[in-house]
Amino acid sequence: AQTVTQSQPEMSVQEAETVTLSCTYDTSESDYYLFWYKQPPSRQMILVIRQEAYKQQNATENRFSVNFQKAAKSFSLKISDSQLGDAAMYFCAYRSVDSNYQLIWGAGTKLIIKP
Amino acid sequence: KAGVTQTPRYLIKTRGQQVTLSCSPISGHRSVSWYQQTPGQGLQFLFEYFSETQRNKGNFPGRFSGRQFSNSRSEMNVSTLELGDSALYLCASSLEAASSYEQYFGPGTRLTVT
Repeated sequence: AQTVTQSQPEMSVQEAETVTLSCTYDTSESDYYLFWYKQPPSRQMILVIRQEAYKQQNATENRFSVNFQKAAKSFSLKISDSQLGDAAMYFCAYRSVDSNYQLIWGAGTKLIIKP
Repeated sequence: KAGVTQTPRYLIKTRGQQVTLSCSPISGHRSVSWYQQTPGQGLQFLFEYFSETQRNKGNFPGRFSGRQFSNSRSEMNVSTLELGDSALYLCASSLEAASSYEQYFGPGTRLTVT
């Protein structure tokens, strides 16, 4: 069974600085999808970025980028120029490409932005 | 285009009662998944529906059930509520039931069991 681990329960960063959130996963599959979701206090889960395992190039979405290390089964999220609105819980999630499409979630990292 | 909507947003029930939560997916989306979120267990998959058929089910007791209607709207039902069922229940929709399609989440229903 696949598992996702986020080892940082909480991280804090100064506004405008860069922060990296860690995520590792365990799977025996060779093809899959990885996601970072953001859940602000409003509770709405919002997709931040996704990565297809077959793509070597790291995904980037504006200030958000990932460092995908397939061999190490690592999928970290880098947030550049942190803004107050980035404060939220961040969840790493795994999704298989076979018939079971459920998202498998990490425990989450609470990101605090210091003004 | 309207997002995923969930009703009600908040619910308080007593142990032993049953509850029904509703989810309306984004227009055109045919797959609906349900997740339970608690501080202790985190986010856990409940079930997924596509074209009115349950395709996948998580590791939850039979008290948790769901269904999907022809318009893709979905309901989940929890019978004989227990204190441990207190959670945020999230619904997510996607265009198709395939892993390449992204899931879009609703705001959730906060269920409190007393």
